[in-house]
Amino acid sequence: SAVISQKPSRDICQRGTSLTIQCQVDSQVTMMFWYRQQPGQSLTLIATANQGSEATYESGFVIDKFPISRPNLTFSTLTVSNMSPEDSSIYLCSVSEVAGVEQYFGPGTRLTVT
Amino acid sequence: GESVGLHLPTLSVQEGDNSIINCAYSNSASDYFIWYKQESGKGPQFIIDIRSNMDKRQGQRVTVLLNKTVKHLSLQIAATQPGDSAVYFCAEGSGNQFYFGTGTSLTVIP
Repeated sequence: SAVISQKPSRDICQRGTSLTIQCQVDSQVTMMFWYRQQPGQSLTLIATANQGSEATYESGFVIDKFPISRPNLTFSTLTVSNMSPEDSSIYLCSVSEVAGVEQYFGPGTRLTVT
Repeated sequence: GESVGLHLPTLSVQEGDNSIINCAYSNSASDYFIWYKQESGKGPQFIIDIRSNMDKRQGQRVTVLLNKTVKHLSLQIAATQPGDSAVYFCAEGSGNQFYFGTGTSLTVIP
């Protein structure tokens, strides 16, 4: 399986600011995804990061709040914009080789907004 | 999205015993199911998967059972070890869309 890294691993941010999270994969992958995991809860899909085009967002998530880039097949970024304490979560990147098969997850970025 | 839930939020087992973690799903159109293990401070780790054309699949010390009639999924861990202590999530979906269950926290008592 692919090796996935995320930067930063954690951060504490002031409300109203923005944070960009990076996801790097050691091999080219077809699919990349971003999830949010609030404390003690399950994972919620934010969006599918599409290479060379706009991300596909799930219901309840919008591009203005969570802009995503995917310039190539090994890298993606998620920005959490205009943060509020409600954005405090773990943000996880996942990848899969093709559609409809298992996804592999990065270690996550733990974000705290004060 | 689809509703995927677990029957028990916590489970404690003695080391060496077998563990069974259950999951209910609501979308009968889902054709792919995955179990993940998440240890504290880490991302979810793939354990085992099963497609809807199967009822059972075995891995190393783990077995997944799928009952499509009642839309139920279970994960069986044989000879549970302290290293198995974690939160276990089921996920169901079709195509690219995956929906994760609430999670069950498994604690192994030495």
